[in-house]
Amino acid sequence: DGGITQSPKYLFRKEGQNVTLSCEQNLNHDAMYWYRQDPGQGLRLIYYSQIVNDFQKGDIAEGYSVSREKKESFPLTVTSAQKNPTAFYLCASSTKTGFGLDQPQHFGDGTRLSIL
Amino acid sequence: EDQVTQSPEALRLQEGESSSLNCSYTVSGLRGLFWYRQDPGKGPEFLFTLYSAGEEKEKERLKATLTKKESFLHITAPKPEDSATYLCAVHKMDSNYQLIWGAGTKLIIKP
Repeated sequence: DGGITQSPKYLFRKEGQNVTLSCEQNLNHDAMYWYRQDPGQGLRLIYYSQIVNDFQKGDIAEGYSVSREKKESFPLTVTSAQKNPTAFYLCASSTKTGFGLDQPQHFGDGTRLSIL
Repeated sequence: EDQVTQSPEALRLQEGESSSLNCSYTVSGLRGLFWYRQDPGKGPEFLFTLYSAGEEKEKERLKATLTKKESFLHITAPKPEDSATYLCAVHKMDSNYQLIWGAGTKLIIKP
């Protein structure tokens, strides 16, 4: 079945540590996204990528980094510069936007990151 | 300022009691409005896309409608398995990628 796989489901970060969240999709989608979800707030965009080897910052990119070396993969690194990393992180993908009718984003089941 | 507001924050209904969830938006040009369902500890699951005022879409007990200022998600004769958080997101006309998300409505259906 086609879908988006995020791992791990739960992750704990120590002070000063960088951690990497994995996101893999087999939907053959060009665009991929990382969101952060906090209680009582709408999803906030961290980074997005429309094509391999290219990505753009979203609204809250500070303290995060990404790479897009393969179409299927879009890992997110939460660096030690992110002072409040505790949140639910969601990865999504879609067909390339900007062409024709808008297509929905499809989501993985998230990674919950907590601070030790 | 571009904004998406969902109301109510939470809604408790008895099984079979129909109601509506609201998503009001203020954006400069709507390209599309999306409804998603999210279960606890899971990612959002796509339900509907609406593109223009007057459009309606249905799926089982759910019907989504769109006006120039808001969208409604009507739920008819809900069952306990419809309990979830329902999210609304808007895609602006001048943005190729970015959705503006509401905070969601938590729906609880009691048997």
